[in-house]
Amino acid sequence: GENVGLHLPTLSVQEGDNSIINCAYSNSASDYFIWYKQESGKGPQFIIDIRSNMDKRQGQRVTVLLNKTVKHLSLQIAATQPGDSAVYFCAENGGGSNYKLTFGKGTLLTVNP
Amino acid sequence: DTEVTQTPKHLVMGMTNKKSLKCEQHMGHRAMYWYKQKAKKPPELMFVYSYEKLSINESVPSRFSPECPNSSLLNLHLHALQPEDSALYLCASSQESGKFGYTFGSGTRLTVV
Repeated sequence: GENVGLHLPTLSVQEGDNSIINCAYSNSASDYFIWYKQESGKGPQFIIDIRSNMDKRQGQRVTVLLNKTVKHLSLQIAATQPGDSAVYFCAENGGGSNYKLTFGKGTLLTVNP
Repeated sequence: DTEVTQTPKHLVMGMTNKKSLKCEQHMGHRAMYWYKQKAKKPPELMFVYSYEKLSINESVPSRFSPECPNSSLLNLHLHALQPEDSALYLCASSQESGKFGYTFGSGTRLTVV
């Protein structure tokens, strides 16, 4: 079946560097995407979302890029801080059902001080 | 109030026990969800309620029984679970369309002994 996946399972960066986390999706009908941050023992925390009629969206220190041509999503974190260390998931709403959110595999981001 | 509250935070139960997980939100969201998350894996959808009616059951075993008493509450009744059902159970809610405001609770860490 169609799924959402990630290229890199782990990413280690130095404090202050920029981080880029990637996500590939295969469902061309997906029209809404969300990035979540999940710290150990906690539920997923919303970071930023983007709809398929956009290719870029910016938040505070974060930017999401969507390339529908190659079905690729990325999360950029500027000036990464130790508090950014967590697992990051991309998730997609497949369009067929307004209520079903499917998660990618996740990337563990480690920020070294 | 922008939170999804789950109780209890931790639960240990025997295979013959009956227990319930509870979830509450006061954001006016009309869709509520149960997800199951195993260690180092992404959350997996179990059930979706839309306007207090079950709209999606992802072929979940009958030992898990969801209930939505009203638009703010969601329960998950557990009976005769197996040790492999041990996981983090996450509740989430979203606005009617499912395109906005997906918010997760912190989860219930369930251990079946």
